[in-house]
Amino acid sequence: DGGITQSPKYLFRKEGQNVTLSCEQNLNHDAMYWYRQDPGQGLRLIYYSQIVNDFQKGDIAEGYSVSREKKESFPLTVTSAQKNPTAFYLCASSISGGDPEAFFGQGTRLTVV
Amino acid sequence: GNSVTQMEGPVTLSEEAFLTINCTYTATGYPSLFWYVQYPGEGLQLLLKATKADDKGSNKGFEATYRKETTSFHLEKGSVQVSDSAVYFCALSAGFNKFYFGSGTKLNVKP
Repeated sequence: DGGITQSPKYLFRKEGQNVTLSCEQNLNHDAMYWYRQDPGQGLRLIYYSQIVNDFQKGDIAEGYSVSREKKESFPLTVTSAQKNPTAFYLCASSISGGDPEAFFGQGTRLTVV
Repeated sequence: GNSVTQMEGPVTLSEEAFLTINCTYTATGYPSLFWYVQYPGEGLQLLLKATKADDKGSNKGFEATYRKETTSFHLEKGSVQVSDSAVYFCALSAGFNKFYFGSGTKLNVKP
């Protein structure tokens, strides 16, 4: 079945540690996205990528980094510079151009203690 | 710029009641419009979409009509069920593969 896989579903890290969230898709989509969701809040765009080896900052990129070395993969690193990293992180993908719709993974809940 | 505004929740209804969740948008160009649903602890699932003015998207008893004259895309369902309890997000895509989401509306349906 085609879809987007995020792993792990739950992640616990100590304050000051970097952590990488995985996102893999087998939908053959060119565009991929990372969003952050806080309790009772909407989605805020962290980074997005429209093609391999290229990505752009979203609205809240500070303290995060990404790479897009393969079409299928768009990992997100939450660095120690992110002041409040505890949140629910959602990865999405879409086709480029045409009539896109975003497909979402199941999310990773990151808790920093 | 592009933005989506949807009614604040939570919305609490009894089973079989009529549902309306309001959504308005501002956009440059001709956006596609979407409703997504999120169940607790999960990602977002596409509920329905409309790609041009006067289109009606529908799925699982939910409907929304793309109204360009009022820049709206209100979500409706004639008879809600307990299983419809979730958070609903209105969204738009206006080119360059960027999506803009509303803040979400939580729906609670009581038996």
